[in-house]
Order: sequence, then structure tokens, then C-alpha cells
Amino acid sequence: GQQLNQSPQSMFIQEGEDVSMNCTSSSIFNTWLWYKQDPGEGPVLLIALYKAGELTSNGRLTAQFGITRKDSFLNISASIPSDVGIYFCAGESGSARQLTFGSGTQLTVLP
Amino acid sequence: DVKVTQSSRYLVKRTGEKVFLECVQDMDHENMFWYRQDPGLGLRLIYFSYDVKMKEKGDIPEGYSVSREKKERFSLILESASTNQTSMYLCASSFVTGAEAFFGQGTRLTVV
Repeated sequence: GQQLNQSPQSMFIQEGEDVSMNCTSSSIFNTWLWYKQDPGEGPVLLIALYKAGELTSNGRLTAQFGITRKDSFLNISASIPSDVGIYFCAGESGSARQLTFGSGTQLTVLP
Repeated sequence: DVKVTQSSRYLVKRTGEKVFLECVQDMDHENMFWYRQDPGLGLRLIYFSYDVKMKEKGDIPEGYSVSREKKERFSLILESASTNQTSMYLCASSFVTGAEAFFGQGTRLTVV
């Protein structure tokens, strides 16, 4: 199946710092989604992107759909302890009926 | 808000048992999905369904089957549970292909 490369795999940051993570693909995607998963819970949708070049914010979170349609990034500004969790990117290519997920970025925020 | 509900948060079953995981969504979504999540392997698609009584294999269908008799309900069946099926199972639904998927809270299954 299609592959999404998500990086970094894990991050340890100080509270208040900004965070950036990204996903890249060898295939073109029509949709990019970013999810957050808290321990023991299901992923929760943070941001959905549907157009190349689109930049969307949700509070302290900002995500962009890359111009080439093969990548996306997520930024978190001024991190707080509740930002801890696993962040997943997901893409949908149109030819498949399902999403392809990245392997996740484990974020730890140190006080 | 979209609600996707999985019938159990935690399950412990014995090897060889038949196991049913149930998922219900309340937003009239067309598509429903079953994933399993294992450390280091991310989310892997087991089966999905885009209509009642329709199903398609995902990336890892072996050892599993599914049932979708009603639009709102999608069941995952482990015909004969094995220890390598110990995992977190996640159900999701989406309105149409390409739209965002919404997840249930997950079922942590342990097979002993």
C-alpha cells in the first residue's frame, strides 16, 4: 500500500516551546488530516486540509497542505502539558477508499 | 458531534474463542473502518465497508471477518482468537470517501 513518512518519531520539548512535525509521501494526496491520540483513547481529528497550499489553524495548531500535494506539516505553538500524546498524519489519494496513516510522532512536554 | 461508540474498552479472551467487537456510529456515515494499532506499527487497516452488506479487505485481513447488516453498525469478528491478535482495535467512520474519519475510543483486546 501507500506509505507516509512521518517525522520525527518522538520529541521531548520544554513547556512553552514551539513544535513542528511533518509527513511526506511518494504519492499525491487529495486530503491531509492531522489527529491526536491521548493514551488509551482513540485518535481525535485536529485539522483537515483539502486543497494544495491550504494553511489552516485551530487555536495554537497550524497545518499546511503542501503545494506538491505530497507533504503536510503541523506546528504547535507555545506547547502546554496537555499537548502530550501521539500525533498522526493521514492522507487520502482518491484512488483508494481509505486513509493512509503515518506512524505517528510521540510528543512529550517537559515542565 | 459525531459519535462512534465501541462496545467494550477492555476485553480478555482465551485462545481459540470467537470474539465480536461492535462499533456503532450515530451520524449516518457511509464508510466504516476497523484498524488495529500496535506499538511501532501505527494504524493498520483490517477491513472497511462503504455500504450495508459491502466489505473490502484492508492491509491485514487474515484471521478477521466483518459484518455490516445495518448502516450504523460494523462488527469485527475474530473467528478463533490467537495471542498475536492482542492489540488495540479502533473503529472509525466517515461520511464519504476522502472526508475526515472519526474514531471510537478503542478496544484493548488481550488474548491469553
